[in-house]
Amino acid sequence: SQQGEEDPQALSIQEGENATMNCSYKTSINNLQWYRQNSGRGLVHLILIRSNEREKHSGRLRVTLDTSKKSSSLLITASRAADTASYFCATDAQLKGEKLTFGTGTRLTIIP
Amino acid sequence: DTGVSQDPRHKITKRGQNVTFRCDPISEHNRLYWYRQTLGQGPEFLTYFQNEAQLEKSRLLSDRFSAERPKGSFSTLEIQRTEQGDSAMYLCASSLTRGLDNEQFFGPGTRLTVL
Repeated sequence: SQQGEEDPQALSIQEGENATMNCSYKTSINNLQWYRQNSGRGLVHLILIRSNEREKHSGRLRVTLDTSKKSSSLLITASRAADTASYFCATDAQLKGEKLTFGTGTRLTIIP
Repeated sequence: DTGVSQDPRHKITKRGQNVTFRCDPISEHNRLYWYRQTLGQGPEFLTYFQNEAQLEKSRLLSDRFSAERPKGSFSTLEIQRTEQGDSAMYLCASSLTRGLDNEQFFGPGTRLTVL
């Protein structure tokens, strides 16, 4: 079963705007990761944030984590057409082994 | 290209047939995972190996499914007596044990269609 939910399920923005998507999860975690998936393709790892971290940056990506609310957000700044994809958060739950549990994804469309 | 390869990329089969997929992980990675993804959903965990040992299996993995990782290198996932509900993308991932971090690198997937 899915660990959590991404919100929104779909998002369309103009190129150059910022895109924010949110993820909620249910159990305590070791870390949370964000992945990108282009249509019909494999997943590309974007960023990992540990449970003791609150914010992390990588290029145009900014991830926040609030373990008290069991939620995370992914911000993509200055969006490009190539950012069009589905974005998934995945959690690695404490004491549950090393499997990742994915959310349902946000489908992001960047309009040129 | 993450360095994880899967073969075949696409497989069309008739209901009741057996199929086998292969995954080649990044060479130094000791962990290998199988996930299944259906349309519009996130990947769901099936099973994982640490070296050659299969350490966890999801209840999604019915007795028609079997996975192996001989010698701790490549892995195969076999589905016997396929059903239409098995149609999905089968994703393989690998990772290197490194503290509590579990950054997994995914292959391109094998898309299975059962007619």
